[in-house]
Amino acid sequence: QKEVEQNSGPLSVPEGAIASLNCTYSDRGSQSFFWYRQYSGKSPELIMSIYSNGDKEDGRFTAQLNKASQYVSLLIRDSQPSDSATYLCAVNMRNRDDKIIFGKGTRLHILP
Amino acid sequence: DGGITQSPKYLFRKEGQNVTLSCEQNLNHDAMYWYRQDPGQGLRLIYYSQIVNDFQKGDIAEGYSVSREKKESFPLTVTSAQKNPTAFYLCATKDPLYEQYFGPGTRLTVT
Repeated sequence: QKEVEQNSGPLSVPEGAIASLNCTYSDRGSQSFFWYRQYSGKSPELIMSIYSNGDKEDGRFTAQLNKASQYVSLLIRDSQPSDSATYLCAVNMRNRDDKIIFGKGTRLHILP
Repeated sequence: DGGITQSPKYLFRKEGQNVTLSCEQNLNHDAMYWYRQDPGQGLRLIYYSQIVNDFQKGDIAEGYSVSREKKESFPLTVTSAQKNPTAFYLCATKDPLYEQYFGPGTRLTVT
């Protein structure tokens, strides 16, 4: 099993709909989880952090964490064309000297 | 204005030459990281430093070297021993909540 796994996409979602991005991780002891957005040719930008089970909302973004299932997701409500980007899931791996391990990212395309 | 700066934005070098990429931060973060990103690939960790005067190899350290003489600075040297140096290089810091912040990156092309 890969340490942090994401579907590479592309995920195509109509404008105004909800985009759902998923991520699984291998280290059961992980405590910190992050979502980054990366536009083509640019560096990653942190958009959400989540540390406890449940949902965390910030504007149109909701991060969901389920430690028992080792699963973290990102929901984007009312998707806009400007949300088209690659979304990287990152996990603080306690069994890897506390390194942050990134998934390869999911490409999201919002259809106007 | 807090942040991370990387220079230059674009760098072109001939094969066999060493090149040093600059990374400076004024976020007062102890931990700093260097990643490499290739097209369609995730971020791969080259080196990291948790504190001044100390650094550790990441997953792909061969052909690279770093120094951490000041808290604000973490330069990366790409040596001629690196077999495939052409890539997008990203410097990052980490805060006490494990949140990482990235600089704008340096795109290195070696021909």
